Amino acid sequence: AQSVTQPDIHITVSEGASLELRCNYSYGATPYLFWYVQSPGQGLQLLLKYFSGDTLVQGIKGFEAEFKRSQSSFNLRKPSVHWSDAAEYFCAVGAPDPGGYQKVTFGTGTKLQVIP
Amino acid sequence: GAGVSQSPSNKVTEKGKDVELRCDPISGHTALYWYRQRLGQGLEFLIYFQGNSAPDKSGLPSDRFSAERTGESVSTLTIQRTQQEDSAVYLCASSLAGTSGQETQYFGPGTRLLVL
Repeated sequence: AQSVTQPDIHITVSEGASLELRCNYSYGATPYLFWYVQSPGQGLQLLLKYFSGDTLVQGIKGFEAEFKRSQSSFNLRKPSVHWSDAAEYFCAVGAPDPGGYQKVTFGTGTKLQVIP
Repeated sequence: GAGVSQSPSNKVTEKGKDVELRCDPISGHTALYWYRQRLGQGLEFLIYFQGNSAPDKSGLPSDRFSAERTGESVSTLTIQRTQQEDSAVYLCASSLAGTSGQETQYFGPGTRLLVL
């Protein structure tokens, strides 16, 4: 079974600084990887996803993530953080289930605080 | 077009009462998922629907939990004899049908349930 670890529960960065959120996964085959963002009181919004091909994936809101098979990682990055990026970020790994659907396992999330 | 909607947005109930949570998926999405998000935790898979059938109910925590879907559209998650540990945000997601595991799940804003 797949699993996801987000080692950082909270991260605080200054506005304009760069950001990297860590995600490590465990899965036997090539995983499908996702990053979602959840703003207070909102549902989850997909930032980006990786299925195959180029290991550097571009997403919305200026985010990118890099799939590193050797490190079992899929870290999320942004070169310059904006105050509106303050939210909770979830990494997820998906895989086809024998039942014929997408079984997605989510990490426990990283809360991002942005200070002026 | 309209996204996934859920109602009510908030629900406060007394221990022992039954509650019904509703999810309206994106039109045309035949796959529907329910997740539970406890405070400070990641998303916990509850159940998956393909059309009106639920091939995977493995995530339902107890027989007090049930779900149905009609018309390949609206789904209702019912919790009977609620307990305080049922307090959580219940999230619904929908996606296009498929077996590749690559279908993106689109999330609703969730129902915040508080059991007193």
